[in-house]
Amino acid sequence: GAGVSQSPRYKVAKRGQDVALRCDPISGHVSLFWYQQALGQGPEFLTYFQNEAQLDKSGLPSDRFFAERPEGSVSTLKIQRTQQEDSAVYLCASRRAGTGGPIEQYFGPGTRLTVT
Amino acid sequence: AQSVTQLDSQVPVFEEAPVELRCNYSSSVSVYLFWYVQYPNQGLQLLLKYLSGSTLVKGINGFEAEFNKSQTSFHLRKPSVHISDTAEYFCAVSPPRGAQKLVFGQGTRLTINP
Repeated sequence: GAGVSQSPRYKVAKRGQDVALRCDPISGHVSLFWYQQALGQGPEFLTYFQNEAQLDKSGLPSDRFFAERPEGSVSTLKIQRTQQEDSAVYLCASRRAGTGGPIEQYFGPGTRLTVT
Repeated sequence: AQSVTQLDSQVPVFEEAPVELRCNYSSSVSVYLFWYVQYPNQGLQLLLKYLSGSTLVKGINGFEAEFNKSQTSFHLRKPSVHISDTAEYFCAVSPPRGAQKLVFGQGTRLTINP
């Protein structure tokens, strides 16, 4: 299967711990998005990469959230000093083109983060 | 900025009955419109999208949606639902330029009863 994969699928962290969530996009996809989905809510945009460049990080809720995509493929979302309000499903999506191309985003299964 | 309102958080229907899931949006610019479905423990799957042209859009699994610009709505319909349609449905918009990040509604849980 050549879909978007995310790991781990489930993560439990104690408050104050750092976590790293991984996203493997579809091979060759230029664009990569991270979204946060709180329980019972729709996903909310966090950040956007075109290749290795982070072009939009306007949705990151605090400076504890950091994302990178150093080689333009795999991406990691890092959350430092986790808080209970960080508990959510973190979704990754990739898109074949950059801006102006085919627009469909393909979503991974998500990582469910629970902060205790 | 854009926003999306899904008017029903839960919709229960009987199998083989028709269903409509309502979606209204707000935007100061033109937008693209989408419906996604989310099955338990799975990612979002695109059902259909409206970019331009005909306001009636057909998607997968027998779903269709109609774009109404004057009412800023994009309601999702299916004439006859199946048990397998039980899922969470999300309406979303994106601007036609830039990163085209998606803005989602809060979702509608569709429950099909036998």
